[in-house]
Amino acid sequence: AIQMTQSPSSLSASVGDRVTITCRASQAIRNDLGWYQQKPGKAPKLLILGASSLQSGVPSRFSGSGSGTDFTLTISSLQPEDFATYYCLQDYTYPWTFGQGTKVEIK
Amino acid sequence: QVQLVQSGAEVKEPGASVKISCKASAYTFTNYDIHWVRQAPGQGLDWMGIINPSVGSTTYAQTLQGRVTMTRDTSTSTVYMELVSLGYEDMAVYYCARSFCRSTSCQFDYWGQGTLVTVSS
Repeated sequence: AIQMTQSPSSLSASVGDRVTITCRASQAIRNDLGWYQQKPGKAPKLLILGASSLQSGVPSRFSGSGSGTDFTLTISSLQPEDFATYYCLQDYTYPWTFGQGTKVEIK
Repeated sequence: QVQLVQSGAEVKEPGASVKISCKASAYTFTNYDIHWVRQAPGQGLDWMGIINPSVGSTTYAQTLQGRVTMTRDTSTSTVYMELVSLGYEDMAVYYCARSFCRSTSCQFDYWGQGTLVTVSS
């Protein structure tokens, strides 16, 4: 199975900060990757698919980049509602695999 | 609006089985695959498998092979996930999720509300 390694596992940031989360695949996955935001007690919410395509309704402060094995989720200016846990998910091949998550906390 | 509505919380003893339903509405049921994802308390997301509602074909995570079965009922637009021989490690919130594809990438655009499965003796 393809392993997805996310970093960091957690970070502290302030409102207005630029935040970057990375995901590395154990083998090349083209751009078959999505990013999700999850808040406590809620189902995950899709932010990005195809590594860089913004899902409808998602604010433009979220962006994704990368291809092959290295991917990045960037939040350009962190807002109070962005404090959550973020996951990457590869859909290149079965079994689909998630990164272990990055918890974004308030500094 | 598209909805996936799951059955309610379950409490099971070790060794028992659980069957969770996921009822889809407001879209053509057979046009989109349904996946199951689980999340143990305080842990990350774990992909369990996929069912194609049109033909009923399935692919399961190898770690669950032999214990999990996904089925569907097209007359009620409902997908089911059954997990047998439950252990404490199966205690989790179970989600169904619809996948859609844009270009070559397929991701989950709609999720069920989650079903908590508690394993307790």
